[in-house]
Amino acid sequence: AQSVAQPEDQVNVAEGNPLTVKCTYSVSGNPYLFWYVQYPNRGLQFLLKYITGDNLVKGSYGFEAEFNKSQTSFHLKKPSALVSDSALYFCAVSAPGGSQGNLIFGKGTKLSVKP
Amino acid sequence: DSGVTQTPKHLITATGQRVTLRCSPRSGDLSVYWYQQSLDQGLQFLIQYYNGEERAKGNILERFSAQQFPDLHSELNLSSLELGDSALYFCASSVQGGQGQPQHFGDGTRLSIL
Repeated sequence: AQSVAQPEDQVNVAEGNPLTVKCTYSVSGNPYLFWYVQYPNRGLQFLLKYITGDNLVKGSYGFEAEFNKSQTSFHLKKPSALVSDSALYFCAVSAPGGSQGNLIFGKGTKLSVKP
Repeated sequence: DSGVTQTPKHLITATGQRVTLRCSPRSGDLSVYWYQQSLDQGLQFLIQYYNGEERAKGNILERFSAQQFPDLHSELNLSSLELGDSALYFCASSVQGGQGQPQHFGDGTRLSIL
């Protein structure tokens, strides 16, 4: 069965410092991996995805993610955190089967950036 | 703004009742997905439609049903409601319905069962 794990419920970072939100996955076959962000009382917003190719994927709002096949990880990173980055972050994997696009989500990591 | 519209934003009802949640996908998107978000279960996929046809089914209860209409909007019907059905229900859409497609989420319908 496909699954995604986000080992940290919460990550605390000072503004201006680099941030990392961790994600590991378990899939059969090639993984299709995504990061989404959720602000309070809003739906999820797509940040970035990995399908194939370069292991470093760049996305919206200065975020990037590093795909590591040997460690089955897809960590979200940003060189310099902003207070406005505080939100709930979800890692997701696309379910197997070429015609099905439904996502399997991790439990989410709350990012708190303090001034 | 994702372009996905969900109505209503809030719904309060009682156990045993039936409700309908509506979703209008982003213009040009053919696939619609429904997800349930709750504190204990997290984000769970319920069902996917593509151009009017059911494409994938997840952890959707038999009391729940959905459909996608010719104009591509979708409705999620929840019946014989129980306290445990209280959750945030999201609709998402994508251009096509396969793997690797970014999904665009609405702001959800918050369902409260009293």
